[in-house]
Amino acid sequence: DAGITQSPRHKVTETGTPVTLRCHQTENHRYMYWYRQDPGHGLRLIHYSYGVKDTDKGEVSDGYSVSRSKTEDFLLTLESATSSQTSVYFCATTSGGAIGTGELFFGEGSRLTVL
Amino acid sequence: SQQGEEDPQALSIQEGENATMNCSYKTSINNLQWYRQNSGRGLVHLILIRSNEREKHSGRLRVTLDTSKKSSSLLITASRAADTASYFCATDAGRGGSEKLVFGKGMKLTVNP
Repeated sequence: DAGITQSPRHKVTETGTPVTLRCHQTENHRYMYWYRQDPGHGLRLIHYSYGVKDTDKGEVSDGYSVSRSKTEDFLLTLESATSSQTSVYFCATTSGGAIGTGELFFGEGSRLTVL
Repeated sequence: SQQGEEDPQALSIQEGENATMNCSYKTSINNLQWYRQNSGRGLVHLILIRSNEREKHSGRLRVTLDTSKKSSSLLITASRAADTASYFCATDAGRGGSEKLVFGKGMKLTVNP
């Protein structure tokens, strides 16, 4: 299995508090992603990174920011958590494909509840 | 917005039967991938099929791709209870070799022993 670790795995927080989720990989993959998974919506891309300090927005990026200061770490921050951000968050990585996107490797998920 | 849409959304079969899942997508792609997710776990890659391929096999899995219809199917033969999971198709953005994957909403397969 690819070495992708997400922390924390579970978190309960209150509306308005900042939250940071961490994704750590040991695969030296260039690309890293944050998705959220909600019933009825499947997985939706929040932000992704194509290298150290290189990030871009996905389809549901409002209210989220990311940082990648090292190849192995990709942080997702909710500056001021809202109840609509209650979700399961997945980190994924890939080294990239020869053509298009290669196989993604996923972490086990971080379940966030915002009260 | 979602690129791929799986059909049916849920399927319940008996062990030993075949399971077929379909995926439709909207724009041109470089490749299409299928993933499995067991309850409470992360997604696991099953198979990737490139836009210039029509069929691909991996063990009990058979994937077809019809780019003219913008559709793909995943066939699991001789299903087992352990195949019970959610299955997702995912496509990349196509033009320019984008490194983003867009997932469908998923399909829940239940294999009854």
